[in-house]
Amino acid sequence: AQSVAQPEDQVNVAEGNPLTVKCTYSVSGNPYLFWYVQYPNRGLQFLLKYITGDNLVKGSYGFEAEFNKSQTSFHLKKPSALVSDSALYFCAVSVLDNTGKLIFGQGTTLQVKP
Amino acid sequence: NAGVTQTPKFQVLKTGQSMTLQCAQDMNHEYMSWYRQDPGMGLRLIHYSVGAGITDQGEVPNGYNVSRSTTEDFPLRLLSAAPSQTSVYFCASSYSFRQGTLGYTFGSGTRLTVV
Repeated sequence: AQSVAQPEDQVNVAEGNPLTVKCTYSVSGNPYLFWYVQYPNRGLQFLLKYITGDNLVKGSYGFEAEFNKSQTSFHLKKPSALVSDSALYFCAVSVLDNTGKLIFGQGTTLQVKP
Repeated sequence: NAGVTQTPKFQVLKTGQSMTLQCAQDMNHEYMSWYRQDPGMGLRLIHYSVGAGITDQGEVPNGYNVSRSTTEDFPLRLLSAAPSQTSVYFCASSYSFRQGTLGYTFGSGTRLTVV
């Protein structure tokens, strides 16, 4: 069965410091990986995705993620955090099975302090 | 503007009532799906569709019904609302692999409270 794990419920980082939000996955077949961000009382906003190609994926708002097949990970990173990055982040995975199903992790709250 | 439109944004139901959450997209996406979001549990798949006339169950389908008579619309029906269905519901759509590459667009959500 497909699954996604985000091992940290919350990540705290000081403004200006680098941030990492962790994600590991378990799928049978090639994974298609996504990161979404959700601000309070809002919908999900797309940050970036990995379908194929370069393992380092660059996305919106200065975020990037590195696909690591051997470690089955897709960690989200940003070199310098902003207070406005504080939000709930979701990792999700889909596979090439003609269903379009997305499986989400439980989410990680990122708190960036001034 | 192209996107996924969900209505209503907020709803309060009494236990046992039924209602339909509407979802419409104008991007000709073949894939559509419904998720519910509960604190600490992420988003869980309720039902999904790979095209008009084709639907299937996701992870948490009990108490919900769907149909897909057109490419554009994918309504979610609560048959007899229960307090456990209090949640935030999101509809999403995407091109299929046949149409191109995966790229999901989410609606703004429906916050449902069952009392």
